[in-house]
Amino acid sequence: TQLLEQSPQFLSIQEGENLTVYCNSSSVFSSLQWYRQEPGEGPVLLVTVVTGGEVKKLKRLTFQFGDARKDSSLHITAAQPGDTGLYLCAGVLRSSYGGSQGNLIFGKGTKLSVKP
Amino acid sequence: KAGVTQTPRYLIKTRGQQVTLSCSPISGHRSVSWYQQTPGQGLQFLFEYFSETQRNKGNFPGRFSGRQFSNSRSEMNVSTLELGDSALYLCASSPRLESSYNEQFFGPGTRLTVL
Repeated sequence: TQLLEQSPQFLSIQEGENLTVYCNSSSVFSSLQWYRQEPGEGPVLLVTVVTGGEVKKLKRLTFQFGDARKDSSLHITAAQPGDTGLYLCAGVLRSSYGGSQGNLIFGKGTKLSVKP
Repeated sequence: KAGVTQTPRYLIKTRGQQVTLSCSPISGHRSVSWYQQTPGQGLQFLFEYFSETQRNKGNFPGRFSGRQFSNSRSEMNVSTLELGDSALYLCASSPRLESSYNEQFFGPGTRLTVL
């Protein structure tokens, strides 16, 4: 069972389009991170969201953490070919006392292709 | 600061052999984690080392082992290789500060092919 489900698995769009990818779970996370991985490279951290309902913007990328801390979304405005890559969400489970427990858990990722 | 380095970048082995992969973390980072990435399973956590001690371990067989040295450099070893061990092995370092959220800084990975 995958603790973090990402959708869609694959997304192919034209340059200039908008898109949203999702990261969902039935478990509560103390924080969620988004990474982008390009072919032949390791993932690169984009953002960390830590508060339920939090929204963070990174240029054309908008990240949201769900109010219940069980889900997150990444919205890209006016996608460019340079946005092509595998987008991974990862989180640390929230413990019963409100802290963090265990290692970082990754979703399987959304493979985005932006065509010129 | 120099990033995380991994050696070798590519490796081809045959079933039954063993392999050792090496990772040098970002200077000042005391935590090193290892992950296995495959198309079917995605990124799966192998283990984390902090100050030379294994801190967390994923759900992998005992053929997968690791260690960390006093300079924070880490190695992982896979014995009795199986075809299914073919994967990209990623090393990541983290400052692991109390105020951080275990953000991972990844190396480029070692692509292991088992024939």
